[in-house]
Amino acid sequence: GNSVTQMEGPVTLSEEAFLTINCTYTATGYPSLFWYVQYPGEGLQLLLKATKADDKGSNKGFEATYRKETTSFHLEKGSVQVSDSAVYFCALSSGGGSQGNLIFGKGTKLSVKP
Amino acid sequence: KAGVTQTPRYLIKTRGQQVTLSCSPISGHRSVSWYQQTPGQGLQFLFEYFSETQRNKGNFPGRFSGRQFSNSRSEMNVSTLELGDSALYLCASSLGSSGGSTDTQYFGPGTRLTVL
Repeated sequence: GNSVTQMEGPVTLSEEAFLTINCTYTATGYPSLFWYVQYPGEGLQLLLKATKADDKGSNKGFEATYRKETTSFHLEKGSVQVSDSAVYFCALSSGGGSQGNLIFGKGTKLSVKP
Repeated sequence: KAGVTQTPRYLIKTRGQQVTLSCSPISGHRSVSWYQQTPGQGLQFLFEYFSETQRNKGNFPGRFSGRQFSNSRSEMNVSTLELGDSALYLCASSLGSSGGSTDTQYFGPGTRLTVL
């Protein structure tokens, strides 16, 4: 079945450090890939998405490239801020008979220290 | 445009009771999905409704049910509550019309259910 694997946290960085959160997936067909972010006490917010191979999603300095050859969608940011502290979820949507069903990774908690 | 709203935000119930959670999607969105989030199991899909019909269902017992109204608002019901049902319940809405993988889901703030 479809699945998402993302790096275990927590990840602790200093402000202005480079961030990478790894995400790999297993899916049949051509899924869409998403990164969602969850701030303490809140729901999920869409951070970025990519719908086909080699697409790059980007938002708020974050970016991720849909790599079909390595089945990966790693999240990167060049310079993190304290306000980026949150839990990040990688997810896939395979559509077809599974529409409306996002498959999520376990989440990676990021803490950024000043 | 207003986002997805969920009511109530917090709920405390005792074992054996039942509970109903409500979700109002973004205007124009016809698909509503429900997820359960717990520290142990993470985010798990419960079910999805589109045009008042359940279109997809996750692997949860029959105590979990839902429905969708003609205005796309959705409710989720859990009967005979168990301690393990304590979780954050998230609702997400999307256009839903394509049924394809590109449809983006937008989440509400969630309802925090505590079962004592």
